[in-house]
Amino acid sequence: DVKVTQSSRYLVKRTGEKVFLECVQDMDHENMFWYRQDPGLGLRLIYFSYDVKMKEKGDIPEGYSVSREKKERFSLILESASTNQTSMYLCASSLLPGGIADLNQPQHFGDGTRLSIL
Amino acid sequence: AQTVTQSQPEMSVQEAETVTLSCTYDTSESDYYLFWYKQPPSRQMILVIRQEAYKQQNATENRFSVNFQKAAKSFSLKISDSQLGDAAMYFCAYKDNAGNMLTFGGGTRLMVKP
Repeated sequence: DVKVTQSSRYLVKRTGEKVFLECVQDMDHENMFWYRQDPGLGLRLIYFSYDVKMKEKGDIPEGYSVSREKKERFSLILESASTNQTSMYLCASSLLPGGIADLNQPQHFGDGTRLSIL
Repeated sequence: AQTVTQSQPEMSVQEAETVTLSCTYDTSESDYYLFWYKQPPSRQMILVIRQEAYKQQNATENRFSVNFQKAAKSFSLKISDSQLGDAAMYFCAYKDNAGNMLTFGGGTRLMVKP
């Protein structure tokens, strides 16, 4: 089974702090994703990466950055945390499609990090 | 940009009964993929069922089935013989043919009454 591990289930930080959320997957997946989940809004993509050192902006990248130095690890960085970044953060990974038959590859999710910015 | 809409923020069903969760989406693509994910209180997102748009046959996984209406851009999830363990948030998601990204709906919270 695919295992996606997020380093913290709960995190409390202060406004202005630099915050790191870590995610590790053990299935050699090329794609990794960071979402935030807010009530009524579902999951919104912040950033994704399809290879080491590669990143693409999602729908809501403002205030965030990411780092992918190794294939198995994808970090989300809040450069200067603000209260409106209080949310649930979910990491996911998936295989890079090798062809048309692979395009329905599902994303595998971690357990989420509930981040509170005070 | 694609959008996915789940019009029912909350639904409830009696144990052993059947419930249908609605999902509509907007796209100009002809080839794409649709998914239903379940998120129980443990927060782990679990894939329930997937549908390829080029397949006319509706996907089925045990007690879970979909009603895929491509022309209407509708993708509803039917849960038969509901069980207490089905209580969760359910998210509908869309992925186009070219990309790796999922677009999610806002979610439906399903409650199962004993």
